[in-house]
Amino acid sequence: GQSLEQPSEVTAVEGAIVQINCTYQTSGFYGLSWYQQHDGGAPTFLSYNGLDGLEETGRFSSFLSRSDSYGYLLLQELQMKDSASYFCAVKFRDDKIIFGKGTRLHILP
Amino acid sequence: DTAVSQTPKYLVTQMGNDKSIKCEQNLGHDTMYWYKQDSKKFLKIMFSYNNKELIINETVPNRFSPKSPDKAHLNLHINSLELGDSAVYFCASSQDEWRRETQYFGPGTRLLVL
Repeated sequence: GQSLEQPSEVTAVEGAIVQINCTYQTSGFYGLSWYQQHDGGAPTFLSYNGLDGLEETGRFSSFLSRSDSYGYLLLQELQMKDSASYFCAVKFRDDKIIFGKGTRLHILP
Repeated sequence: DTAVSQTPKYLVTQMGNDKSIKCEQNLGHDTMYWYKQDSKKFLKIMFSYNNKELIINETVPNRFSPKSPDKAHLNLHINSLELGDSAVYFCASSQDEWRRETQYFGPGTRLLVL
């Protein structure tokens, strides 16, 4: 079936770089999106990859490789406020949308 | 200005009751969605509406019925509430541009069924 797999938790140190992977068992989607969600908050859009390659938005970058069936979100110069859950998501040509189960990012001082 | 708003923010009710959650977006988007996020934080799409027409129905129980009076509003009505309906419900909207999918989420409605 169609699914997006993410690690459930990742821990990193403030100021460091962390990569959150998203592998998928699906095809026929437009692109891969990333969302951030703080505890008690709503998901907010971070980045989108419609084509293979790297997209950079400030401290956040996202990458997609359709041939390898995976993408990742890269967070640089980690700050304590980056502690949150991160979700990858895809939308298919029939307008169906699926989200990964999310990765909880813990940042240590 | 709030882009996507939902009311109420919290909803506590008894099993068997009927309740509604309202959603409004002022972004001029064509598509609106309802998501359910369970206690494990799994986000699952329930419905989406495009120009007032249902385009996805993710086989949710028919106790859930979306209603869209116009392009800016998508309400969710739930009949005969069950304990398992307790979750956070998010409304979202999007405007596809060159198939780019960016969704804007409302603040969520935390539903607790007792």
